[in-house]
Amino acid sequence: DAGVIQSPRHEVTEMGQEVTLRCKPISGHNSLFWYRQTMMRGLELLIYFNNNVPIDDSGMPEDRFSAKMPNASFSTLKIQPSEPRDSAVYFCASSSLGTTGENIQYFGAGTRLSVL
Amino acid sequence: GNSVTQMEGPVTLSEEAFLTINCTYTATGYPSLFWYVQYPGEGLQLLLKATKADDKGSNKGFEATYRKETTSFHLEKGSVQVSDSAVYFCALSGHRAGNNRKLIWGLGTSLAVNP
Repeated sequence: DAGVIQSPRHEVTEMGQEVTLRCKPISGHNSLFWYRQTMMRGLELLIYFNNNVPIDDSGMPEDRFSAKMPNASFSTLKIQPSEPRDSAVYFCASSSLGTTGENIQYFGAGTRLSVL
Repeated sequence: GNSVTQMEGPVTLSEEAFLTINCTYTATGYPSLFWYVQYPGEGLQLLLKATKADDKGSNKGFEATYRKETTSFHLEKGSVQVSDSAVYFCALSGHRAGNNRKLIWGLGTSLAVNP
């Protein structure tokens, strides 16, 4: 299994530009999570989806952030316009309860975003 | 609501020392408990888990026992190696996760092991 795949691994952009982060979950997983990690705030859940439907977006910082999951194998997190304070590592994770009912999340390698 | 309190770091140890990272939780019912590890420059990965009281999770020499009476899930290793240097996260999944797949996370404990 290839695991959760995120792209790009690194993104450097200028303030005001649109940024799109991409995620391919593990095949067969029906939950997908977007996290942000910074030194100051630690690991924060931004939004998560069950069966492609957003369930909880209370962690999305503001209207500049949006996330979509058009199908079971792809999700995007978009920031428009980007600001320097958005600089962080963004992780995507996926999970499936499966037959054992264990709620284990599997993480991608992350996208390191720098907004200048 | 559910919460996880994790020992603050950073923790610095010499190689072959004994490691304990404390984790306590607040939850209703019977949550599942996890330890995740994040190596430098990587995403988080599951280290071990326990799904019911008195279960012991173990992996790579690490162990943690689900103690319902003390609401704790402390991580231990008898002899750490330089390669164990990482950030460790304690996490909780609510009883019968069902459609609520959120994990409740601790703040993470950074461990540095010196040769």
